[in-house]
Amino acid sequence: AQSVTQPDIHITVSEGASLELRCNYSYGATPYLFWYVQSPGQGLQLLLKYFSGDTLVQGIKGFEAEFKRSQSSFNLRKPSVHWSDAAEYFCAVAPYGGSQGNLIFGKGTKLSVKP
Amino acid sequence: DVKVTQSSRYLVKRTGEKVFLECVQDMDHENMFWYRQDPGLGLRLIYFSYDVKMKEKGDIPEGYSVSREKKERFSLILESASTNQTSMYLCASSAPVGGTEAFFGQGTRLTVV
Repeated sequence: AQSVTQPDIHITVSEGASLELRCNYSYGATPYLFWYVQSPGQGLQLLLKYFSGDTLVQGIKGFEAEFKRSQSSFNLRKPSVHWSDAAEYFCAVAPYGGSQGNLIFGKGTKLSVKP
Repeated sequence: DVKVTQSSRYLVKRTGEKVFLECVQDMDHENMFWYRQDPGLGLRLIYFSYDVKMKEKGDIPEGYSVSREKKERFSLILESASTNQTSMYLCASSAPVGGTEAFFGQGTRLTVV
C-alpha cells in the first residue's frame, strides 16, 4: 500500500536559518508529489508539486523541493526561514491512476520559528 | 481565485444527531473529496466523488455518507454523530486525471458533545 512518512513531528528553527523538512514515500510507480502548508485554523495551501521533468521544483513563498527517486524522497527546503513560515507542513502523494486530488498524506511536520 | 467553500467553520452537535457538512466549489471541478484531520494522524480520506451522483469510499467511511446531486456541491453526512467524530473536516476539489492539484476549503471544526 502507498504511504507517506514525515519523520519529524515537530521542528524548531531560528528565524533566518535554513530549513529542510523530510518526506519519504512508498509507491509502486512514478508518483505525483505535493507539499501543502496549513496555518492554524486554516485549510491547506499548495506550496509546490512535482509531476515530471526537472527534479528540483520551485514553489511559493521561497520554498523548493527535490525529488530523489533512488531515495524515494521529496524533501522541502527553504534557505532562510521567516517567522510567518511557522505552520504545519504536509507531504502528499497521488496514487497511480487516481485524480491528483485523491491524495495520501503524511502525518505532518509542525514548524516553530524562534525569533 | 479558485474557491472551495465550506458552509461552517465551527459546529457543535449532540450525540445521535444527523449532521450535514456542506462544500461548494466554483471551479467546475469533477472531483470532490472529504478528508478528516486529527492531530498526529494527518489527513484521512473519508469519501470522494468523480462525478455527479457518484461516490467512492475512502479509507475511513464508517459512520459517514455523502451526497453529490450537483457538480459544484458535495455534502458529508454523519448519520448519527458520535463523540469520536469530533474532528476537523476538510473538503477539496480537483480537475480530472491529468489536471491540477487539489484545492482545499477552510475546514469545519466539528465538536460532538
